[in-house]
Amino acid sequence: SQQGEEDPQALSIQEGENATMNCSYKTSINNLQWYRQNSGRGLVHLILIRSNEREKHSGRLRVTLDTSKKSSSLLITASRAADTASYFCATSSNDYKLSFGAGTTVTVRA
Amino acid sequence: EAQVTQNPRYLITVTGKKLTVTCSQNMNHEYMSWYRQDPGLGLRQIYYSMNVEVTDKGDVPEGYKVSRKEKRNFPLILESPSPNQTSLYFCASSPSRPADTQYFGPGTRLTVL
Repeated sequence: SQQGEEDPQALSIQEGENATMNCSYKTSINNLQWYRQNSGRGLVHLILIRSNEREKHSGRLRVTLDTSKKSSSLLITASRAADTASYFCATSSNDYKLSFGAGTTVTVRA
Repeated sequence: EAQVTQNPRYLITVTGKKLTVTCSQNMNHEYMSWYRQDPGLGLRQIYYSMNVEVTDKGDVPEGYKVSRKEKRNFPLILESPSPNQTSLYFCASSPSRPADTQYFGPGTRLTVL
């Protein structure tokens, strides 16, 4: 079953701008992960945030988690053409399953 | 190089012709999983394996089989493929639990005519 839902479905921005996408989920989680997928390729792990963490950074990425609202956001700062990809959130609520959302497609225009 | 490999990368076949998609990882990971990706539906889990000889159904197991005889290999078997199994398939592995970071293979694009 699909636990996370990303919003928006698609996002188009100018190079150098920031991109923000959100993920909402339904049940309590152990952790939340963000992955990137370049067109038709395998997913690449970006960042993992645990349920007891509120914010995490990795390079130009910033992830926040609000467990009271059951939502997370991924911010990509100073976007580049290479950031053009689909971004997925994935949630884990037990030790047996990781559930992915449908993804946000980001296009960075030169 | 640490990686997950899948073969074949592309496959066109006909309804009813049994096929196997292989998956292998060289990271000594315990957990392996198969997903299918369809437009607008994200990734849906087909089967997973917590360790050798331990497999279990995911969200969409119908029409698929798996086996885990060795730690590194986790083949996906379609005994009698149908057109609704046309999809992009990904194998993934993680050190011990699905909640760990998952490492994905490059994908297998399957078309069933």
